[in-house]
Amino acid sequence: AQRVTQPEKLLSVFKGAPVELKCNYSYSGSPELFWYVQYSRQRLQLLLRHISRESIKGFTADLNKGETSFHLKKPFAQEEDSAMYYCAPLGDNFNKFYFGSGTKLNVKP
Amino acid sequence: ETGVTQTPRHLVMGMTNKKSLKCEQHLGHNAMYWYKQSAKKPLELMFVYSLEERVENNSVPSRFSPECPNSSHLFLHLHTLQPEDSALYLCASSQVGVVSAEAFFGQGTRLTVV
Repeated sequence: AQRVTQPEKLLSVFKGAPVELKCNYSYSGSPELFWYVQYSRQRLQLLLRHISRESIKGFTADLNKGETSFHLKKPFAQEEDSAMYYCAPLGDNFNKFYFGSGTKLNVKP
Repeated sequence: ETGVTQTPRHLVMGMTNKKSLKCEQHLGHNAMYWYKQSAKKPLELMFVYSLEERVENNSVPSRFSPECPNSSHLFLHLHTLQPEDSALYLCASSQVGVVSAEAFFGQGTRLTVV
């Protein structure tokens, strides 16, 4: 069974500070991992996926198979980054998305 | 209308009522999902329909009954609910079989059981 852990429920940083949202997973097989974001009063949406190795809105995430982690990072946080962030592995047979408990990021001015 | 649409957006029901939530996706996807979002368990997978067959039921109480008549429509039938069932119910869809395919979410139905 897949499990994903986001240890921080709330993360508060000041604008311009670096931010790292932690995600650890347990998975049998080759994982596909995603970060989803939910801004206030908006629907849950994809932020980035590990396979693309992309940077979206300044965020990056590296898959560390040795540590089974997929932490989300941004060097300089902005106030508009304030939102709920969910780490999500794609389940067996590619048809199940399990989400972590989420981390609320609060970027203070 | 594009993307994933859920109706109604808000629903208040008594514990003895029967109601249904509706979800429609216009993305041509072959899998649809119901999630429950609450303060206790932020995103709890309830049901998955993949290629119109239900492939997972995470021990959800029988007072929740899903229906997927075709690949574009998904329903969640509700009956004799409890106050603890009050939550935001999210529908999502994805394309199974595509590498790293993302899930697209609806706006959700805010359910209040009184």
